Amino acid sequence: GAVVSQHPSRVICKSGTSVKIECRSLDFQATTMFWYRQFPKQSLMLMATSNEGSKATYEQGVEKDKFLINHASLTLSTLTVTSAHPEDSSFYICSARVRVPTDTQYFGPGTRLTVL
Amino acid sequence: QQPVQSPQAVILREGEDAVINCSSSKALYSVHWYRQKHGEAPVFLMILLKGGEQKGHEKISASFNEKKQQSSLYLTASQLSYSGTYFCGTETQPGTASKLTFGTGTRLQVTL
Repeated sequence: GAVVSQHPSRVICKSGTSVKIECRSLDFQATTMFWYRQFPKQSLMLMATSNEGSKATYEQGVEKDKFLINHASLTLSTLTVTSAHPEDSSFYICSARVRVPTDTQYFGPGTRLTVL
Repeated sequence: QQPVQSPQAVILREGEDAVINCSSSKALYSVHWYRQKHGEAPVFLMILLKGGEQKGHEKISASFNEKKQQSSLYLTASQLSYSGTYFCGTETQPGTASKLTFGTGTRLQVTL
């Protein structure tokens, strides 16, 4: 199946700093990628849809100035958590959708963000 | 509103069967099933597109009742490797702009 990578896998930062998370599709091109957030023992909550060459589409309640998304190429989307605070600590997962041969959404391994 | 899954958690002995249900308040176009192990990304299991369609993947199969806006995942002769949290992801429409809404999740633990 298709492979999606994320970097870094873990990051610890001080409150007020910004953190960038990269999501790459390794063996296919993805015009659309998705960014999710997952709290412990909870479901995946869609934050935004990242579109190559255009602005991201954010879900209701997600601050677009807080979570900056850039989809600069067909294989790379980045999520920047700006001025991070402890409540931003979470597991962030990206995914890319492949339509053929089977409609499947492939997830990256996730990034564990801890804000002190 | 996210789909509701039942049960929330289940413990099985190896070899036993389980059924996980996913119920939506909206009309559905498709249902995707995923398994997630602790600290890892979700792994795709299968997708169901039509009402009444049933699919199988080794000892794991699923059905989709479009009229009832429900899907069920069937795990037979469970193995230790089946342990994890299962999520359904639903779509209400087709198309490139469509996105998945994930269910509340079901934690499955298989023991010896």
